[in-house]
Amino acid sequence: DGGITQSPKYLFRKEGQNVTLSCEQNLNHDAMYWYRQDPGQGLRLIYYSQIVNDFQKGDIAEGYSVSREKKESFPLTVTSAQKNPTAFYLCASNRRREKLFFGSGTQLSVL
Amino acid sequence: ELKVEQNPLFLSMQEGKNYTIYCNYSTTSDRLYWYRQDPGKSLESLFVLLSNGAVKQEGRLMASLDTKARLSTLHITAAVHDLSATYFCAVDIKQGGSEKLVFGKGTKLTVNP
Repeated sequence: DGGITQSPKYLFRKEGQNVTLSCEQNLNHDAMYWYRQDPGQGLRLIYYSQIVNDFQKGDIAEGYSVSREKKESFPLTVTSAQKNPTAFYLCASNRRREKLFFGSGTQLSVL
Repeated sequence: ELKVEQNPLFLSMQEGKNYTIYCNYSTTSDRLYWYRQDPGKSLESLFVLLSNGAVKQEGRLMASLDTKARLSTLHITAAVHDLSATYFCAVDIKQGGSEKLVFGKGTKLTVNP
């Protein structure tokens, strides 16, 4: 079955540590996105990529980094510069101007 | 800067009643999406509205789009408990040669017996 796989489901970060969230899709979609969701809030765009080896900052990119070396993969690194990383992170993908398909999410917490 | 505003943000209703959720947005767009999210889960696509006057219906939910008013509605008919969830609208915008979706804050719907 085609879909988007995010891992891990739960992740804990120690202070000063960088952590990487994985996102893989086998839908052959060109575009991929990372969103952050805080309790009771909507989704805020962190980074997005329309094609391989290219990506753009979203509305809240500070403290995060991404890469897009393969069409199928769009990992997100939460760096130590992100002082408030506790949130639910959602990866999504789509064909141009079509609906987004979402992964099951990663809950990141700080130890 | 694009703003997408939903109201109400919280909605508690009784089974069997009707209600409407509103989604207003501040810039031109020809494409709007509605998603559903259950607690602790991911988002599920409900509707894609592609043009002015578009109306889509599935079960007890009906969505419409008025691009001139920059308004979309999600109407719930004869609510049942299974509709309890958070509903998001999202607007497709073009920025710097690429497209992205901007989401509203969501409407948390609770349907009581």
